[in-house]
Amino acid sequence: TQLLEQSPQFLSIQEGENLTVYCNSSSVFSSLQWYRQEPGEGPVLLVTVVTGGEVKKLKRLTFQFGDARKDSSLHITAAQPGDTGLYLCAGGSNYKLTFGKGTLLTVNP
Amino acid sequence: DAGITQSPRYKITETGRQVTLMCHQTWSHSYMFWYRQDLGHGLRLIYYSAAADITDKGEVPDGYVVSRSKTENFPLTLESATRSQTSVYFCASSESPVHTEAFFGQGTRLTVV
Repeated sequence: TQLLEQSPQFLSIQEGENLTVYCNSSSVFSSLQWYRQEPGEGPVLLVTVVTGGEVKKLKRLTFQFGDARKDSSLHITAAQPGDTGLYLCAGGSNYKLTFGKGTLLTVNP
Repeated sequence: DAGITQSPRYKITETGRQVTLMCHQTWSHSYMFWYRQDLGHGLRLIYYSAAADITDKGEVPDGYVVSRSKTENFPLTLESATRSQTSVYFCASSESPVHTEAFFGQGTRLTVV
């Protein structure tokens, strides 16, 4: 069974601070996806990274895929209250997605 | 409307009863998935399907049955519900789960009493 470990599990910060969420595995994945989930809703895709070492930016969010395609990070610059939510990483291989347990981010005004 | 819909949104059932959760997608995506989400465990894959009439077990398949007679529908049946199956269930679909987005339904909150 492929496992994805996310850290930290919970993160509470003030508006304007920077933060990084990590997603690590001992397995190699063909791709790594990051999703954001709000209460009462299903997860929604933020980004997919495929190539080892790949970096993608989405406004204030920066995503990186590790060189060995086993780990990934999500960095948020100048967090805003609208960034509050559950952030999930998911590794893609063998025609399915395996999810980490998530990082619950709270950004306080 | 285009999208992926789950029904019902909320369900309370008694231990031992059979219950079926419905999932319908309008994109004709090849792949469909059922996950359960529990505190402390995250999203765990129950079953997935690569096409009509092709299904396979995920991480936690025991106590669940799926079928996929049509591409657009992927129902999940709990044959004899147990309290441990109280959870939020999400259905998802994707054209290529490794490289493209998985679209999720809004979830079904199931309580087994």
